[in-house]
Amino acid sequence: DAGVTQSPTHLIKTRGQQVTLRCSPKSGHDTVSWYQQALGQGPQFIFQYYEEEERQRGNFPDRFSGHQFPNYSSELNVNALLLGDSALYLCASSFFSGSYEQYFGPGTRLTVT
Amino acid sequence: GENVEQHPSTLSVQEGDSAVIKCTYSDSASNYFPWYKQELGKRPQLIIDIRSNVGEKKDQRIAVTLNKTAKHFSLHITETQPEDSAVYFCAASPSSGYALNFGKGTSLLVTP
Repeated sequence: DAGVTQSPTHLIKTRGQQVTLRCSPKSGHDTVSWYQQALGQGPQFIFQYYEEEERQRGNFPDRFSGHQFPNYSSELNVNALLLGDSALYLCASSFFSGSYEQYFGPGTRLTVT
Repeated sequence: GENVEQHPSTLSVQEGDSAVIKCTYSDSASNYFPWYKQELGKRPQLIIDIRSNVGEKKDQRIAVTLNKTAKHFSLHITETQPEDSAVYFCAASPSSGYALNFGKGTSLLVTP
């Protein structure tokens, strides 16, 4: 039973570019949440997707957008990258009608130069 | 929105001692409180959680207590071992499966 997977592992982009990160949820999960974790900080909620729709959004600008596919996998897109977007991006999956637990993937380390 | 504060930011204990990490939250609607352990370069792993209808939960050497009136919850680790060394995060969520609001983390070091 595969856990939450994310790709790529690491990514280096230049300021102003666009990036797409990918997440596959744990088997049986239908909800995907994205978090940004800056160095030395706790994860910050970006948004959550369920039934291919954004269910809740945190305090992030519109440069951050997402998508969920029919197979429950998800993408996070960030446009017009800023140096401050450098962080570990974590995906967490859960089961909407089940327990509260959210399980995290290994993350994508994004560096913006 | 929800604000979660976590203390201390660093904690150093001798192997075998107990460790306690405390968190407070601001939103009285929060009803789910998980704790995550994150080792260097790895994903956060859920180690224990508690819901608002329970005051205490224990799993082997780990326990969590919740005081809804005071809006605080704590993680207790007994008989600490070097492999307990990691960053621990508390979080609060207002309802099932919604956003987790994290504290800033506690770096726990257990020395042999």
